[in-house]
Amino acid sequence: DTAVSQTPKYLVTQMGNDKSIKCEQNLGHDTMYWYKQDSKKFLKIMFSYNNKELIINETVPNRFSPKSPDKAHLNLHINSLELGDSAVYFCASSQDSRTQPRDHYEQYFGPGTRLTVT
Amino acid sequence: DAKTTQPTSMDCAEGRAANLPCNHSTISGNEYVYWYRQIHSQGPQYIIHGLKNNETNEMASLIITEDRKSSTLILPHATLRDTAVYYCIVRAYYTGANSKLTFGKGITLSVRP
Repeated sequence: DTAVSQTPKYLVTQMGNDKSIKCEQNLGHDTMYWYKQDSKKFLKIMFSYNNKELIINETVPNRFSPKSPDKAHLNLHINSLELGDSAVYFCASSQDSRTQPRDHYEQYFGPGTRLTVT
Repeated sequence: DAKTTQPTSMDCAEGRAANLPCNHSTISGNEYVYWYRQIHSQGPQYIIHGLKNNETNEMASLIITEDRKSSTLILPHATLRDTAVYYCIVRAYYTGANSKLTFGKGITLSVRP
Protein backbone atom coordinates (compact mmCIF):
# COMPACT_ATOMS: atom_id res chain seq x y z
CA ASP A 1 0.00 0.00 0.00
CA THR A 2 1.23 3.45 -0.91
CA ALA A 3 1.87 5.53 2.21
CA VAL A 4 1.56 8.99 0.63
CA SER A 5 -0.09 9.23 -2.75
CA GLN A 6 -0.57 12.16 -5.09
CA THR A 7 -2.72 12.67 -8.15
CA PRO A 8 -2.09 13.42 -10.86
CA LYS A 9 1.55 12.47 -11.43
CA TYR A 10 1.82 14.79 -14.40
CA LEU A 11 -0.19 17.93 -15.09
CA VAL A 12 0.18 20.07 -18.19
CA THR A 13 -1.96 23.17 -18.43
CA GLN A 14 -2.07 26.64 -19.86
CA MET A 15 -1.43 29.93 -18.17
CA GLY A 16 -4.45 31.37 -16.42
CA ASN A 17 -6.09 28.04 -15.69
CA ASP A 18 -7.05 26.78 -12.24
CA LYS A 19 -5.88 23.32 -11.21
CA SER A 20 -5.80 21.08 -8.15
CA ILE A 21 -3.39 18.44 -6.91
CA LYS A 22 -4.64 15.86 -4.46
CA CYS A 23 -2.70 14.18 -1.67
CA GLU A 24 -3.70 11.35 0.61
CA GLN A 25 -1.79 9.53 3.35
CA ASN A 26 -2.78 6.25 4.98
CA LEU A 27 -0.24 6.41 7.79
CA GLY A 28 -2.55 7.90 10.37
CA HIS A 29 -0.35 11.00 10.59
CA ASP A 30 -1.61 14.28 12.01
CA THR A 31 0.54 16.65 9.98
CA MET A 32 0.75 17.11 6.22
CA TYR A 33 2.90 19.35 4.04
CA TRP A 34 3.31 20.69 0.56
CA TYR A 35 6.77 21.30 -0.87
CA LYS A 36 7.79 22.80 -4.20
CA GLN A 37 10.90 21.72 -6.11
CA ASP A 38 11.84 24.13 -8.86
CA SER A 39 13.91 23.61 -11.98
CA LYS A 40 17.11 24.19 -10.00
CA LYS A 41 16.09 21.31 -7.74
CA PHE A 42 15.67 23.40 -4.61
CA LEU A 43 13.04 21.87 -2.36
CA LYS A 44 11.07 24.40 -0.31
CA ILE A 45 8.21 24.10 2.15
CA MET A 46 5.00 25.82 1.16
CA PHE A 47 2.37 24.80 3.69
CA SER A 48 1.84 22.58 6.68
CA TYR A 49 -1.43 21.44 8.21
CA ASN A 50 -1.90 19.76 11.56
CA ASN A 51 -5.28 18.13 12.13
CA LYS A 52 -6.81 20.30 9.41
CA GLU A 53 -5.36 23.48 10.92
CA LEU A 54 -2.90 25.59 8.92
CA ILE A 55 0.41 25.67 10.80
CA ILE A 56 3.03 26.79 8.31
CA ASN A 57 2.39 29.21 5.47
CA GLU A 58 5.60 30.32 3.84
CA THR A 59 5.66 33.31 1.48
CA VAL A 60 3.47 31.67 -1.11
CA PRO A 61 1.22 33.71 -3.45
CA ASN A 62 -2.45 33.84 -2.55
CA ARG A 63 -3.17 31.97 -5.76
CA PHE A 64 -2.10 28.84 -3.88
CA SER A 65 -4.71 27.57 -1.45
CA PRO A 66 -4.32 24.34 0.47
CA LYS A 67 -7.46 22.55 1.58
CA SER A 68 -7.63 19.80 4.16
CA PRO A 69 -11.05 18.08 4.27
CA ASP A 70 -9.75 15.64 6.89
CA LYS A 71 -6.40 14.86 8.39
CA ALA A 72 -5.66 12.18 5.79
CA HIS A 73 -5.99 14.57 2.87
CA LEU A 74 -4.30 17.82 1.91
CA ASN A 75 -5.13 19.16 -1.52
CA LEU A 76 -3.43 22.05 -3.27
CA HIS A 77 -5.51 24.35 -5.44
CA ILE A 78 -3.77 26.83 -7.69
CA ASN A 79 -5.60 29.72 -9.35
CA SER A 80 -4.52 31.68 -12.41
CA LEU A 81 -1.50 29.51 -13.14
CA GLU A 82 1.69 31.25 -14.23
CA LEU A 83 4.77 29.99 -16.07
CA GLY A 84 6.78 30.25 -12.85
CA ASP A 85 4.51 27.75 -11.17
CA SER A 86 6.05 24.99 -13.27
CA ALA A 87 7.75 22.67 -10.80
CA VAL A 88 7.44 19.35 -9.05
CA TYR A 89 5.14 19.50 -6.04
CA PHE A 90 5.62 17.04 -3.22
CA CYS A 91 3.18 16.20 -0.49
CA ALA A 92 4.49 14.80 2.79
CA SER A 93 3.16 13.72 6.15
CA SER A 94 4.47 13.11 9.64
CA GLN A 95 3.31 12.47 13.13
CA ASP A 96 2.53 15.52 15.21
CA SER A 97 5.86 16.53 16.70
CA ARG A 98 4.09 17.39 19.95
CA THR A 99 3.06 13.78 20.47
CA GLN A 100 6.21 12.08 19.29
CA PRO A 101 9.36 11.33 21.24
CA ARG A 102 11.49 14.43 21.42
CA ASP A 103 14.21 13.20 19.13
CA HIS A 104 12.18 11.47 16.45
CA TYR A 105 10.94 13.19 13.38
CA GLU A 106 10.43 11.66 9.99
CA GLN A 107 8.51 12.97 7.06
CA TYR A 108 7.16 10.61 4.43
CA PHE A 109 7.01 12.07 0.96
CA GLY A 110 4.74 11.29 -1.94
CA PRO A 111 6.01 10.59 -5.46
CA GLY A 112 5.50 14.15 -6.63
CA THR A 113 3.35 15.90 -9.22
CA ARG A 114 5.16 17.47 -12.16
CA LEU A 115 3.27 20.61 -13.12
CA THR A 116 4.05 22.20 -16.47
CA VAL A 117 2.44 25.52 -17.33
CA THR A 118 2.59 26.53 -20.98
CA ASP B 1 17.78 26.11 12.01
CA ALA B 2 21.54 26.04 11.47
CA LYS B 3 22.93 26.01 7.96
CA THR B 4 24.71 22.99 6.50
CA THR B 5 27.47 22.79 3.89
CA GLN B 6 28.00 19.77 1.67
CA PRO B 7 30.25 19.09 -1.32
CA THR B 8 28.41 19.31 -4.60
CA SER B 9 29.08 15.77 -5.70
CA MET B 10 31.09 12.64 -5.18
CA ASP B 11 31.28 9.15 -6.54
CA CYS B 12 32.23 5.73 -5.31
CA ALA B 13 32.54 2.22 -6.64
CA GLU B 14 29.74 -0.26 -6.21
CA GLY B 15 30.26 -2.42 -3.13
CA ARG B 16 32.54 0.09 -1.44
CA ALA B 17 31.63 2.35 1.44
CA ALA B 18 30.36 5.81 0.58
CA ASN B 19 31.28 8.50 3.13
CA LEU B 20 29.25 11.67 2.71
CA PRO B 21 30.46 14.65 4.75
CA CYS B 22 28.45 17.55 6.10
CA ASN B 23 29.52 20.67 7.96
CA HIS B 24 27.18 22.34 10.42
CA SER B 25 29.51 24.54 12.43
CA THR B 26 26.72 26.76 13.82
CA ILE B 27 24.65 23.90 15.17
CA SER B 28 23.12 24.56 18.57
CA GLY B 29 22.52 22.23 21.48
CA ASN B 30 18.90 21.43 20.68
CA GLU B 31 19.43 20.75 16.99
CA TYR B 32 19.51 17.30 15.44
CA VAL B 33 21.24 16.19 12.27
CA TYR B 34 18.98 14.50 9.75
CA TRP B 35 19.81 12.86 6.45
CA TYR B 36 17.36 12.42 3.61
CA ARG B 37 17.99 11.31 0.06
CA GLN B 38 16.16 11.84 -3.19
CA ILE B 39 16.50 9.29 -5.92
CA HIS B 40 15.85 10.68 -9.39
CA SER B 41 12.16 11.47 -10.02
CA GLN B 42 11.11 10.33 -6.55
CA GLY B 43 10.19 12.06 -3.32
CA PRO B 44 12.80 12.50 -0.58
CA GLN B 45 13.32 9.54 1.74
CA TYR B 46 14.37 9.63 5.37
CA ILE B 47 17.65 7.84 6.11
CA ILE B 48 18.81 8.51 9.64
CA HIS B 49 19.13 11.18 12.32
CA GLY B 50 21.19 11.84 15.44
CA LEU B 51 21.95 14.35 18.17
CA LYS B 52 25.46 13.63 19.41
CA ASN B 53 25.91 9.88 19.51
CA ASN B 54 26.75 7.81 16.47
CA GLU B 55 23.72 6.09 15.02
CA THR B 56 23.23 3.06 12.82
CA ASN B 57 20.20 1.57 11.13
CA GLU B 58 19.55 -0.82 8.28
CA MET B 59 20.31 1.85 5.69
CA ALA B 60 23.32 3.73 6.98
CA SER B 61 25.51 4.92 9.83
CA LEU B 62 25.79 8.49 11.06
CA ILE B 63 29.01 9.65 12.66
CA ILE B 64 28.84 12.99 14.48
CA THR B 65 32.04 14.64 15.67
CA GLU B 66 32.44 15.34 19.35
CA ASP B 67 32.04 19.09 18.88
CA ARG B 68 28.97 18.37 16.68
CA LYS B 69 30.19 20.74 14.02
CA SER B 70 30.31 18.11 11.32
CA SER B 71 28.99 14.67 10.54
CA THR B 72 29.45 11.87 8.04
CA LEU B 73 26.82 9.62 6.55
CA ILE B 74 28.21 6.20 5.73
CA LEU B 75 26.62 3.80 3.29
CA PRO B 76 28.64 0.66 4.08
CA HIS B 77 28.21 -1.16 0.77
CA ALA B 78 26.99 1.23 -1.89
CA THR B 79 24.87 -0.14 -4.72
CA LEU B 80 23.78 1.43 -7.98
CA ARG B 81 20.39 2.10 -6.40
CA ASP B 82 22.07 4.40 -3.88
CA THR B 83 22.78 6.92 -6.64
CA ALA B 84 20.83 9.97 -5.43
CA VAL B 85 21.03 13.45 -3.96
CA TYR B 86 21.71 13.27 -0.23
CA TYR B 87 20.56 16.10 2.01
CA CYS B 88 22.06 16.89 5.38
CA ILE B 89 19.55 18.89 7.44
CA VAL B 90 19.90 20.42 10.86
CA ARG B 91 16.64 20.85 12.66
CA ALA B 92 15.72 21.98 16.12
CA TYR B 93 13.05 20.22 18.07
CA TYR B 94 9.96 22.39 18.25
CA THR B 95 7.43 21.99 20.97
CA GLY B 96 4.71 22.96 18.55
CA ALA B 97 3.72 21.44 15.26
CA ASN B 98 6.02 23.72 13.26
CA SER B 99 8.14 20.92 11.91
CA LYS B 100 9.33 22.00 8.50
CA LEU B 101 12.48 20.63 6.89
CA THR B 102 14.81 23.11 5.26
CA PHE B 103 16.59 21.44 2.35
CA GLY B 104 19.88 22.73 0.96
CA LYS B 105 21.48 21.77 -2.32
CA GLY B 106 22.57 18.38 -1.10
CA ILE B 107 25.37 16.21 -2.44
CA THR B 108 24.93 14.12 -5.55
CA LEU B 109 26.32 10.64 -5.01
CA SER B 110 27.05 8.62 -8.12
CA VAL B 111 27.76 4.94 -7.61
CA ARG B 112 29.70 3.49 -10.51
CA PRO B 113 29.68 -0.21 -11.49
